[in-house]
Amino acid sequence: EDQVTQSPEALRLQEGESSSLNCSYTVSGLRGLFWYRQDPGKGPEFLFTLYSAGEEKEKERLKATLTKKESFLHITAPKPEDSATYLCAVQSDPNTGFQKLVFGTGTRLLVSP
Amino acid sequence: ETGVTQTPRHLVMGMTNKKSLKCEQHLGHNAMYWYKQSAKKPLELMFVYNFKEQTENNSVPSRFSPECPNSSHLFLHLHTLQPEDSALYLCASSQDRVGEKLFFGSGTQLSVL
Repeated sequence: EDQVTQSPEALRLQEGESSSLNCSYTVSGLRGLFWYRQDPGKGPEFLFTLYSAGEEKEKERLKATLTKKESFLHITAPKPEDSATYLCAVQSDPNTGFQKLVFGTGTRLLVSP
Repeated sequence: ETGVTQTPRHLVMGMTNKKSLKCEQHLGHNAMYWYKQSAKKPLELMFVYNFKEQTENNSVPSRFSPECPNSSHLFLHLHTLQPEDSALYLCASSQDRVGEKLFFGSGTQLSVL
């Protein structure tokens, strides 16, 4: 059974203090690993898809990396507006048909000015 | 309007009530989804529709009844719910049923008394 574990559960940073969020996964065959951002009172917003070990994606202060067992979301010099819950999800490589996304419970990030 | 719109944003209902959640997407997507998000639990897939046809039912109790009259609209009919059904119900859409990059609405926060 596919599983996703995110750590830490919550993270508090000062503005400008860089850090990383972790997403560990077990999956029978990885089709893709996804990062979403969720603000309070809103639905998740897509950030990145990573498909193979060694791949990296960047968007502003965020950089996602992927290995065969985990993904990291690196946040460089964060700002208060980066405060949100970050969700990781994996999708198995389907033999046929639909293969659902399996989500982690997320990391709540709070960036203080 | 653009994106995925859900109504109502908040709903309080008694265990004997019948209510419906509505979702509309303006993205021209072919697949639509219902997800349940409970505190400290991963996002849980409930139903998937592709071109108006239900393709996935993730063992959801019959007190939840989905309806998809066309590719742009999705409903979730609720009846005789239990307090443990209180959660954030999220609608999402994607270009096709492979279900990778999802676009979420802001959700309906449901409280069952």
